[in-house]
Amino acid sequence: EDQVTQSPEALRLQEGESSSLNCSYTVSGLRGLFWYRQDPGKGPEFLFTLYSAGEEKEKERLKATLTKKESFLHITAPKPEDSATYLCAVQYSGGYQKVTFGTGTKLQVIP
Amino acid sequence: KAGVTQTPRYLIKTRGQQVTLSCSPISGHRSVSWYQQTPGQGLQFLFEYFSETQRNKGNFPGRFSGRQFSNSRSEMNVSTLELGDSALYLCASSPEIAGGQDTQYFGPGTRLTVL
Repeated sequence: EDQVTQSPEALRLQEGESSSLNCSYTVSGLRGLFWYRQDPGKGPEFLFTLYSAGEEKEKERLKATLTKKESFLHITAPKPEDSATYLCAVQYSGGYQKVTFGTGTKLQVIP
Repeated sequence: KAGVTQTPRYLIKTRGQQVTLSCSPISGHRSVSWYQQTPGQGLQFLFEYFSETQRNKGNFPGRFSGRQFSNSRSEMNVSTLELGDSALYLCASSPEIAGGQDTQYFGPGTRLTVL
């Protein structure tokens, strides 16, 4: 069964304390993996798209990497404004759904 | 470019009623997807439309339906509302790059409360 699993479910960091969020997937025919940030009561905000294993993308304090089975979102020296829920989603060929989302990691950065 | 817009932003209905939600995609985007988001289930795919045709469908009952117009605007309808339909309904549009990966850009959502 195609699945997308994110861990941890919640993460609490001190300001400046770097960490990583994980997104593991078991789908066939991966076409792309997406990371989004979602603030409470708002729609997800696009961060990155990764297409193939070995690819990396960076934006400010965030860096996303992709292997054949998982993706990591590394957060370097986070600030309180980085607090949000981070979602990953996988697009794959065939299947009933075009895109499957993980349940997210809720990040809280404490000053 | 303007982002994805959704109307209304908030809606309160009672059980048994029906509701129609509207989504205007980013200009030039022809693919529109709808998702239901609840605290317990996360983001669940409802359906996807491209060029006025439903191309993909998630595992939701027939009470949930949608359509897309020639200008790519989309509507979704939920009939005979149930308490469990209370959720944030999100619309996303993508540029549909032929043969490529399609990043989805989300609107702010419509918060539906069923009493």
